[in-house]
Amino acid sequence: SAVISQKPSRDICQRGTSLTIQCQVDSQVTMMFWYRQQPGQSLTLIATANQGSEATYESGFVIDKFPISRPNLTFSTLTVSNMSPEDSSIYLCSVEGGRVNLNTEAFFGQGTRLTVV
Amino acid sequence: DAKTTQPPSMDCAEGRAANLPCNHSTISGNEYVYWYRQIHSQGPQYIIHGLKNNETNEMASLIITEDRKSSTLILPHATLRDTAVYYCIVRVLSQAGTALIFGKGTTLSVSS
Repeated sequence: SAVISQKPSRDICQRGTSLTIQCQVDSQVTMMFWYRQQPGQSLTLIATANQGSEATYESGFVIDKFPISRPNLTFSTLTVSNMSPEDSSIYLCSVEGGRVNLNTEAFFGQGTRLTVV
Repeated sequence: DAKTTQPPSMDCAEGRAANLPCNHSTISGNEYVYWYRQIHSQGPQYIIHGLKNNETNEMASLIITEDRKSSTLILPHATLRDTAVYYCIVRVLSQAGTALIFGKGTTLSVSS
């Protein structure tokens, strides 16, 4: 299994500012994923981040709002830009456990709880 | 969109088996069924997955029907710590690669 560390674990931010969330994995992984979980809701995939290429965003999410970096095989960042109260959510990083296929479990970090005031 | 349907909530008495159903009638031949759970304010935790055979590990058993259109997650002896939201996910290869697409899940409440 992979051990995932997310920072910060929680933050309270002013509207209009930006927050960068870090995701560090204890082993090299090919694919990393970013999710958002709004209060009382399920997880929604934001984007898939592969090392050496631009992130692939899901419908409803754009790079200008959620820029993602993937500088190497163990690290990624997600920035929530120009925040509004509607961005208050838990943001989660996830990684594949091994080779990229449908028969490999994915692991999740503990999430970053963001509150925008 | 999620390819699964689950009841929104279930109750279970402590010490009894919890059987959580999931419908996935549009599943394709090479798509796996995964189960995760999320205990309040934590990241999702992997439980088990399978393709067509029944699977068992230290946490749970997964029973998949022969036509693969539904499955059941079994927690053999539920404890209070098993209270969580349980997600049944059909993992597909898509534009998002092999990302897990979550549905609404089942909130399991275990009581003494």
